Amino acid sequence: SAVISQKPSRDICQRGTSLTIQCQVDSQVTMMFWYRQQPGQSLTLIATANQGSEATYESGFVIDKFPISRPNLTFSTLTVSNMSPEDSSIYLCSVQSQVQFFGPGTRLTVL
Amino acid sequence: KQEVTQIPAALSVPEGENLVLNCSFTDSAIYNLQWFRQDPGKGLTSLLLIQSSQREQTSGRLNASLDKSSGRSTLYIAASQPGDSATYLCAVYSSNTGKLIFGQGTTLQVKP
Repeated sequence: SAVISQKPSRDICQRGTSLTIQCQVDSQVTMMFWYRQQPGQSLTLIATANQGSEATYESGFVIDKFPISRPNLTFSTLTVSNMSPEDSSIYLCSVQSQVQFFGPGTRLTVL
Repeated sequence: KQEVTQIPAALSVPEGENLVLNCSFTDSAIYNLQWFRQDPGKGLTSLLLIQSSQREQTSGRLNASLDKSSGRSTLYIAASQPGDSATYLCAVYSSNTGKLIFGQGTTLQVKP
């Protein structure tokens, strides 16, 4: 199993600002995933982050808006840049080890 | 393109009832199927994982089945309790894309 922590757990931000979300895993993993869950919706994959290489973004998500860092095998950050109210969502970090494990999520509200 | 659908979107039952949640997927090329539970404002907890070669998995009062050829899975909850109230998400791991594709979820309320 994997234990995943995220910081912050929630935040309220002003439009036009940026927020960096941190994800820490208790074991080394090759791939880490970032998901978004908009209000009342299911999860959508934003990008896959491998250590030592650029993140791979899904259709509809771009690096300028959601830059990702993956400095080592247990840590990753996702930045939500130049935020607008439409970015209000829960952002979840995930790793896969047979079963897919998820962090507790970061609830972001943009005013 | 793999699509995952869950029916019903919401369900309210009295405590003690047995219930079935349904999940269907359009592409049978999957590695596995996973059922998750999500409590309001929280992350996801994995409940059951069924490999593509398996037909069912059981954990306590939960039983999940998989019929890959027809693109369907069910999650059976026996003797439901108010603590079972949550949103249940089905997700398939697509062998074509290597990605986990989620359904929209079924929100369950178990009334005492």
